[in-house]
Amino acid sequence: AAGVIQSPRHLIKEKRETATLKCYPIPRHDTVYWYQQGPGQDPQFLISFYEKMQSDKGSIPDRFSAQQFSDYHSELNMSSLELGDSALYFCASSLDTQYFGPGTRLTVL
Amino acid sequence: DAKTTQPTSMDCAEGRAANLPCNHSTISGNEYVYWYRQIHSQGPQYIIHGLKNNETNEMASLIITEDRKSSTLILPHATLRDTAVYYCIVRPGPRSGTGNQFYFGTGTSLTVIP
Repeated sequence: AAGVIQSPRHLIKEKRETATLKCYPIPRHDTVYWYQQGPGQDPQFLISFYEKMQSDKGSIPDRFSAQQFSDYHSELNMSSLELGDSALYFCASSLDTQYFGPGTRLTVL
Repeated sequence: DAKTTQPTSMDCAEGRAANLPCNHSTISGNEYVYWYRQIHSQGPQYIIHGLKNNETNEMASLIITEDRKSSTLILPHATLRDTAVYYCIVRPGPRSGTGNQFYFGTGTSLTVIP
């Protein structure tokens, strides 16, 4: 069965640079969620989209933005990167139950 | 915020049943109990969910107390590949749309011992 696809899987950036993470949900899923998991921490909800409209916001920094496109894929844009942004970023999609992607590991140097 | 409490860690002998408890004493009538697990930095994997009846699938069984204030996830025959962090989460659902994001608690780190 098709799963959630995330790209890239690994990303290395310098401080103050920008990064864009992409998420391709399971076909026909109408909701996308983004989560951040810092080293040794549990996943934290960032933001979600339902039918291409932002539906909920969690602890997402103002430096981050996200959108969902007409083909339902979503992008998380991160600017002015800080060392503390180094983390795993998971995307999940759902029609009812949430299914998570493999994650993008972002390292900020 | 997470509405569940779980033991920080547990061990289980390979081949034996692993029973993972979760307390959710403030659960609302429309909230389901979900269980996910995360194997070493992989994406969280769905295991099972339930509202008030006990549930079973090919991976596990979920036992919910009659007052719904606690539940137990049962892995009937634990293998080394079941070593992971197990998260118990409550939320309205299953459905999509607004208000269905997960708030993860600390989870239980299960180690299956050979």
